[in-house]
Amino acid sequence: GAGVSQSPRYKVTKRGQDVALRCDPISGHVSLYWYRQALGQGPEFLTYFNYEAQQDKSGLPNDRFSAERPEGSISTLTIQRTEQRDSAMYRCASSLDGPPDTGELFFGEGSRLTVL
Amino acid sequence: RKEVEQDPGPFNVPEGATVAFNCTYSNSASQSFFWYRQDCRKEPKLLMSVYSSGNEDGRFTAQLNRASQYISLLIRDSKLSDSATYLCVVNLAGGSYIPTFGRGTSLIVHP
Repeated sequence: GAGVSQSPRYKVTKRGQDVALRCDPISGHVSLYWYRQALGQGPEFLTYFNYEAQQDKSGLPNDRFSAERPEGSISTLTIQRTEQRDSAMYRCASSLDGPPDTGELFFGEGSRLTVL
Repeated sequence: RKEVEQDPGPFNVPEGATVAFNCTYSNSASQSFFWYRQDCRKEPKLLMSVYSSGNEDGRFTAQLNRASQYISLLIRDSKLSDSATYLCVVNLAGGSYIPTFGRGTSLIVHP
C-alpha cells in the first residue's frame, strides 16, 4: 500500500525487555514523526527526522528511548528496559515537508505496546 | 498550562444539531493550524486546515482568531457519522513549529 506502515501492530512484553517499533513512511516524505498516545489523550510528540537527521528529540521521556532513520526512509523507535508506564499506542506519521512548514501528517495504524 | 488546550467533552448532540468546538494555543507566533478527526481505535486523519480568513468545507467551518489565540470548528447539520474525537493541531512557535496536538474533543451524535 501507499500509506504509512507500522509494525508490530501489537507487542506484549515483560518489564525489563527491549522493544523495537518500526515505521515505513510514505515514499518521498521528508519528515517522519513519532508520537505516543495514551487513552483519552491526543498524540504526544516524541521525536522527528528530516531525511536521516534527527532534528528534535525533546519529547523522548528519558534515555531508555531512542530512534533512528539511517537511510532517510524506515525508522525504528527502540525502548530499552521497558517499564509498565511505557505501555501506550506509539504512532508514526510522515509529511512531505518538515517544520516550520509541516502540512498534513499521514499516520500509520500505530503499534500498541503492553508491558507486563 | 498545556500548550494546546481543548475541552474533552463529550459533546452529546442530536442529529441535525449545530455544534462548535474551540481550541486555545499558547504561543501567538504559531503558524499553521489544523483539525484532525480520530475514530475510535483508529489513527488521526486530517479533517481540514485552518486559514487566517476562515474556511469552509461542506458542513464544516474552521476559523482562526490570532488575537485571542484560538481556533474553532463548527459542524452544521450533524450526522451520526460525525461521532468521533476532533483533535486540534498547532505548529507551535517556541516548540520548533512541531505539530502539537490537543487532547481532543469527543463528539457523540445521537438519533
